Amino acid sequence: GDSVTQMEGPVTLSEEAFLTINCTYTATGYPSLFWYVQYPGEGLQLLLKATKADDKGSNKGFEATYRKETTSFHLEKGSVQVSDSAVYFCALSDYNQGGKLIFGQGTELSVKP
Amino acid sequence: DADVTQTPRNRITKTGKRIMLECSQTKGHDRMYWYRQDPGLGLRLIYYSFDVKDINKGEISDGYSVSRQAQAKFSLSLESAIPNQTALYFCATSEGGHNEQFFGPGTRLTVL
Repeated sequence: GDSVTQMEGPVTLSEEAFLTINCTYTATGYPSLFWYVQYPGEGLQLLLKATKADDKGSNKGFEATYRKETTSFHLEKGSVQVSDSAVYFCALSDYNQGGKLIFGQGTELSVKP
Repeated sequence: DADVTQTPRNRITKTGKRIMLECSQTKGHDRMYWYRQDPGLGLRLIYYSFDVKDINKGEISDGYSVSRQAQAKFSLSLESAIPNQTALYFCATSEGGHNEQFFGPGTRLTVL
């Protein structure tokens, strides 16, 4: 079945460092790909998404490009802030499976001042 | 006011008790979902509903049941709670497939 694999955390960075969180997926259809963020004590909220190959999603300085050839959707940010500390989830949604979300295990990011 | 609300936010119960977690939404979405979150495992789908008359099992439905009382309400029940159901539970909604899901704040359930 479909699956999502993320790099393991926790990831600890200094403020203004470059961030990459790797995400790869396995899917039989043509999924949409998402990054969700969970701040401490809160529910998940959508950070960005891409619906087809070569699409780039971006929001709040974060970017991710849908790479069908490498089945990847890596999350990047050029300069992280303390306020970016959170858990980040990569997910896919396959229309052929009713649009259900399949999540990676989550990557905890801690940014130190 | 929050678009997706969950009650209770925290619950401690004992093994064998029946528990109901409730979810309400004001977004007018047709699809609703229940997930559980465990450390290191991400979120896993328990049940989902595409409309009031359409209920479907997710990947980990054993030990759980649901009720879609109205378009805006979707409840999750644990008929006889057990300790390995201790987790953070999230409700989510979406409008159609392939679209963003909106999550509630979560219910932290502890089964002793």
